[in-house]
Amino acid sequence: DADVTQTPRNRITKTGKRIMLECSQTKGHDRMYWYRQDPGLGLRLIYYSFDVKDINKGEISDGYSVSRQAQAKFSLSLESAIPNQTALYFCAAGTAIEQYFGPGTRLTVT
Amino acid sequence: DQQVKQNSPSLSVQEGRISILNCDYTNSMFDYFLWYKKYPAEGPTFLISISSIKDKNEDGRFTVFLNKSAKHLSLHIVPSQPGDSAVYFCAASAADYKLSFGAGTTVTVRA
Repeated sequence: DADVTQTPRNRITKTGKRIMLECSQTKGHDRMYWYRQDPGLGLRLIYYSFDVKDINKGEISDGYSVSRQAQAKFSLSLESAIPNQTALYFCAAGTAIEQYFGPGTRLTVT
Repeated sequence: DQQVKQNSPSLSVQEGRISILNCDYTNSMFDYFLWYKKYPAEGPTFLISISSIKDKNEDGRFTVFLNKSAKHLSLHIVPSQPGDSAVYFCAASAADYKLSFGAGTTVTVRA
């Protein structure tokens, strides 16, 4: 079984729609992260959580929000999607210096 | 402004030869460095790491070298194998334990 799972794997949505990406992990890690990957830019941190009550903004949090529903679940929301949020989104869980990534969600905003 | 830079977007190497991937960083507070490997349609997976108190770490065919004075690290893969064809990301962490990633280098190993 994969340690970190993400749903959906692919999603196409329209500008202005609200969308939620979900992430679950099975290894009991306290720390969870959301990244987006864009060509030529690598992975950039959107939000991170060190435990259920600790949520922190990353370097590109504008336009996104998160919810840590339980230690194992960390969801990312786009309240009003825009085309430049088209990207590959990764969730990760793990220790401070070794993170385990999910398979990614490819999001297209038209 | 990216604090971790991988200036070579791609690298092509013949099977059996050495692959050398380079990474530069600007933040002197980084004290831990990692390499991740990514195959298409999968998430990145941890490959190898090095602490700032070391200048070399070896794991099988993979060796990472750190030059703190130059703020430069490199990953050597010897010998390169077809299964090594992937995107390799360099990442760095400071005391706040967030990772900063480079843009990635796509390695193609030719048979």
